[in-house]
Parts: sequence; C-alpha cells; structure tokens
Amino acid sequence: SYVLTQPPSVSVAPGKTARITCGGNNIGSKSVHWYQQKPGQAPVLVIYYDSDRPSGIPERFSGSNSGNTATLTISRVEAGDEADYYCQVWDSSSDPYVVFGGGTKLTVL
Amino acid sequence: QVQLQESGPGLVKPSETLSLTCTVSGGSISSYYWSWIRQPAGKGLEWIGRIYTSGSTNYNPSLKSRVTMSVDTSKNQFSLKLSSVTAADTAVYYCARDLTMIVARTNWFDPWGQGTLVTVSS
Repeated sequence: SYVLTQPPSVSVAPGKTARITCGGNNIGSKSVHWYQQKPGQAPVLVIYYDSDRPSGIPERFSGSNSGNTATLTISRVEAGDEADYYCQVWDSSSDPYVVFGGGTKLTVL
Repeated sequence: QVQLQESGPGLVKPSETLSLTCTVSGGSISSYYWSWIRQPAGKGLEWIGRIYTSGSTNYNPSLKSRVTMSVDTSKNQFSLKLSSVTAADTAVYYCARDLTMIVARTNWFDPWGQGTLVTVSS
C-alpha cells in the first residue's frame, strides 16, 4: 500500500517560516491535502489540491508538490499555529484508497 | 455552512457492535460522499470508509469484514456499524464530508464533525 512519510516534529520560532514535508513515491503525480489538528479538536482542512486554500485559511499557509515530496509552508508563524499537521492523498492503485501521513507536531518556540 | 455531529454510545463491550450516527445540518446530504475516520489516543488518522448518498460504499480493507455503513437521506444522517470490537477499536471517531473528484482521482475531507470518543471495555 502507498505510504506517506512525515517528520514527527518540526520546531520554529515565532515570525519565522515552517516547512513540513510529506514524502511518498512519485507523490508529485497525486493531489495532496493538508489538515491542521489542535489538541482536543477535529482536524481542519488548510490546503487542498496541493496548494489551494479553503476560505478562511490565512494566506500564510501555502503548499507545493513535486517529485517525491509535498511541502506545507507556514510563513510568519504564530503561536496559534502550534498543532499537528497531516497530509493525505487518494491512491486509487492501493488499498485503502485514502492514505494519511503519520502527522507532524509543529512546535512554536 | 455545513456542520456534522456524531452521536452514539461512548462505551461498548468487547465483541459487541459499535454504532454511530452522523447528523448533517446546514446543507443537504445528497450528492456527496460521507466518510468515517478514527484516531486512537495519541496516534494518527485512519480512514474507515465512506458512503455515497446512493448507498454505494468503499471500506478500508483492514476493517472491511467488520464495517457496515448506511445512509438515511430523509433524516440527513449516515451511520457506522463496527462489529466484534476489541480494545484496539478504542478511538475518537469522526465523520466528515468527503469531497471526491472522480476525474481528478482525488478526495479530501471538509468539514469534520467534532468527534466522539468510543471506549471498548467490559
């Protein structure tokens, strides 16, 4: 089955840029979606179709996808961005169709 | 905007069947896929499966033998049944709208319900 690999943790100082990666075999040929999950809350979609932002998501959140790595970039990081972030794809050639990465804990120093 | 709310028992005995319902408000349940996703404490997300409003389903193969999903469009609800539960099924269970783009061969989840904790214990 298709595997998505995320670093367990990323740390960044306030005001700096955080980059969270999601690795997968030829992931650039798939659409990648990203979710933010704060403690005790449900996940929230922050990026879909690699780089599109749902309404209400700040422009500080952006995404890219190429080759074997997709990246969620958070610019001008704020304390409120501290959360777990998950990437997700649909892989029609494997079971299950829906695959989540293991999640990355973003810590704002 | 569309909102989802899970409901059902928070405690299920081992070997019994877990039953949850998701109520959709603020919009019609029709013409969408609807998914169930779970998350054990301190762990990642696991997709359980989904149902279209026609009743068509797709299940995670690892759970397929124990999962049944159904939809009631008249009530704007869809449901999950997971049989023969064990402690490993203890998790927060989320329902979510599944935005599937067939031609683009992709899907994503938005919005999600708040989640409901189901504990399997005698």
